[in-house]
Amino acid sequence: SQQGEEDPQALSIQEGENATMNCSYKTSINNLQWYRQNSGRGLVHLILIRSNEREKHSGRLRVTLDTSKKSSSLLITASRAADTASYFCATGLTGTYKYIFGTGTRLKVLA
Amino acid sequence: EPEVTQTPSHQVTQMGQEVILRCVPISNHLYFYWYRQILGQKVEFLVSFYNNEISEKSEIFDDQFSVERPDGSNFTLKIRSTKLEDSAMYFCASSRDTLPSGNTIYFGEGSWLTVV
Repeated sequence: SQQGEEDPQALSIQEGENATMNCSYKTSINNLQWYRQNSGRGLVHLILIRSNEREKHSGRLRVTLDTSKKSSSLLITASRAADTASYFCATGLTGTYKYIFGTGTRLKVLA
Repeated sequence: EPEVTQTPSHQVTQMGQEVILRCVPISNHLYFYWYRQILGQKVEFLVSFYNNEISEKSEIFDDQFSVERPDGSNFTLKIRSTKLEDSAMYFCASSRDTLPSGNTIYFGEGSWLTVV
């Protein structure tokens, strides 16, 4: 698998339901960030979780990080149609200045 | 909220022409980055820049590409002799501190480059 692979690739849910996206990575990281991208637009930062943290919350977002399994999950609770977007994890590799982006999950929230 | 701004939002250029994409990072940020996203593909790291030097670059960032901070506010990406495969969305980003301290990287809205 590649560094930063999200699953599922696509997710379609009803408004009000929760959406869970997963990210797996291969190498040691300093931190991991989640971004949202609306079609053809820029990358909006959602949340950063450091390698020594296990869980973080921000509003309706909950991110977990399991460094032993090299995986992270993003949970969006009580989803809204406006949450429709692509979601990417980006891993900050140890000893580097770059983030590696995952393949993304396309979320569609149906009203 | 402070933001990274990029110009132009969209540029169409002839193959072989030079292109300069401009960015104004967030004012108190010290680290600057360029990423690109070919349509339908992953966001790819190109280069990071600090203290007027390239900190790190990817294999994509070959001699065709260069970056510059010509003054205290702008950060530019120059693509010499563009190729069709350079068509992509180019994102500028900045962060306050370097990666290991775990600071957020903020991205601009991107510049669509279409090479024809």
